[in-house]
Amino acid sequence: DTAVSQTPKYLVTQMGNDKSIKCEQNLGHDTMYWYKQDSKKFLKIMFSYNNKELIINETVPNRFSPKSPDKAHLNLHINSLELGDSAVYFCASSHYRAKDYEQYFGPGTRLTVT
Amino acid sequence: KQEVTQIPAALSVPEGENLVLNCSFTDSAIYNLQWFRQDPGKGLTSLLLIQSSQREQTSGRLNASLDKSSGRSTLYIAASQPGDSATYLCAVGNTDKLIFGTGTRLQVFP
Repeated sequence: DTAVSQTPKYLVTQMGNDKSIKCEQNLGHDTMYWYKQDSKKFLKIMFSYNNKELIINETVPNRFSPKSPDKAHLNLHINSLELGDSAVYFCASSHYRAKDYEQYFGPGTRLTVT
Repeated sequence: KQEVTQIPAALSVPEGENLVLNCSFTDSAIYNLQWFRQDPGKGLTSLLLIQSSQREQTSGRLNASLDKSSGRSTLYIAASQPGDSATYLCAVGNTDKLIFGTGTRLQVFP
């Protein structure tokens, strides 16, 4: 009965590689998000999608490309990985416009770039 | 630009104490405020959501209050237990995203 799931949980790769992280939610939500938690544990929004359409892009380098094939999935593809991309990436979902609804988070993907 | 600050950054208390975690934000035009718990190496667990029109929410031993005009929220934990040890994050809902605070790392010792 997992609500928001992410794969993989851990990802270790070398600089310059391209990698993807997948996210799926079974809550019936129409909005999904990617957040990044840096080494100082600070969480910051990267992207959000509503009904497969991008609604937020928080000045993230264009090496990061989210893709939403349907409402229940939001994947994150990262090109030409850099050391500074090492972080924990969290996927989340909610109903549109988080005004009255909670955001539910996945377990996170710990990305380590060597 | 919305900024969210949490005080204290770390807190260590003996079991059984009642405690208060503080969250402040600079822009009072918020949609809601959400408190989360994060255990080491784990994801975020939502504890309480307070809508902008509400003053407080309660769940078990947890009570969260919201004062929009002063840009403050508090999370009250009654009768703390070692299992409450975690990092507590507050996040302000602004339009289409959450803006997170810096977190309070709580340790409750037996």
